[in-house]
Amino acid sequence: GAGVSQSPSNKVTEKGKDVELRCDPISGHTALYWYRQRLGQGLEFLIYFQGNSAPDKSGLPSDRFSAERTGESVSTLTIQRTQQEDSAVYLCASTSRSSNTEAFFGQGTRLTVV
Amino acid sequence: AQSVAQPEDQVNVAEGNPLTVKCTYSVSGNPYLFWYVQYPNRGLQFLLKYITGDNLVKGSYGFEAEFNKSQTSFHLKKPSALVSDSALYFCAVRVSLTGNSGGYQKVTFGTGTKLQVIP
Repeated sequence: GAGVSQSPSNKVTEKGKDVELRCDPISGHTALYWYRQRLGQGLEFLIYFQGNSAPDKSGLPSDRFSAERTGESVSTLTIQRTQQEDSAVYLCASTSRSSNTEAFFGQGTRLTVV
Repeated sequence: AQSVAQPEDQVNVAEGNPLTVKCTYSVSGNPYLFWYVQYPNRGLQFLLKYITGDNLVKGSYGFEAEFNKSQTSFHLKKPSALVSDSALYFCAVRVSLTGNSGGYQKVTFGTGTKLQVIP
């Protein structure tokens, strides 16, 4: 596609429910990132996929968070047993293999846990 | 490991005055440096990047940044601030590794600086 696409754009869920967030990267981009951004705050790195290499999961805040990516395509971020502190905007970005190219961000999914 | 520091959480500047948003980095190898902007309720947009060559890089919306290798800095600047420049600014670094690691390092973002331009 023309850009990074994330769905849904907004999600309201009840505390304790599981949610799945989806990211469609730019076609051909080998690297994909998930970030969390609380209101007015900076980017909190969650997970990084690069091609077929093992993902860098060092930013996942707890075992309730997981992410998958098949090859160089769609990724899903799953949050189990959601808590109110999970409320944030979840941003996805993709980049090409070349290190000198910029990252392209999706518009994010705004998650609200009530 | 690579890292990026944005020492100021917020920068306030009067409209029409020059602005600077600071960024320093730490990498092993040659850095590729980026600036992104996030306007209120919008996604992150790429502003400019330094890859090689001229240390002064010009980007979108009249912004520029100067790469200083000795000070490991990449400060964002604009000669005359506009109220519409008020936003969150993020610095990022990426380096290409050589050898048998596969050669690809993830991009690392700074924590962001909120720029407030006062009319």
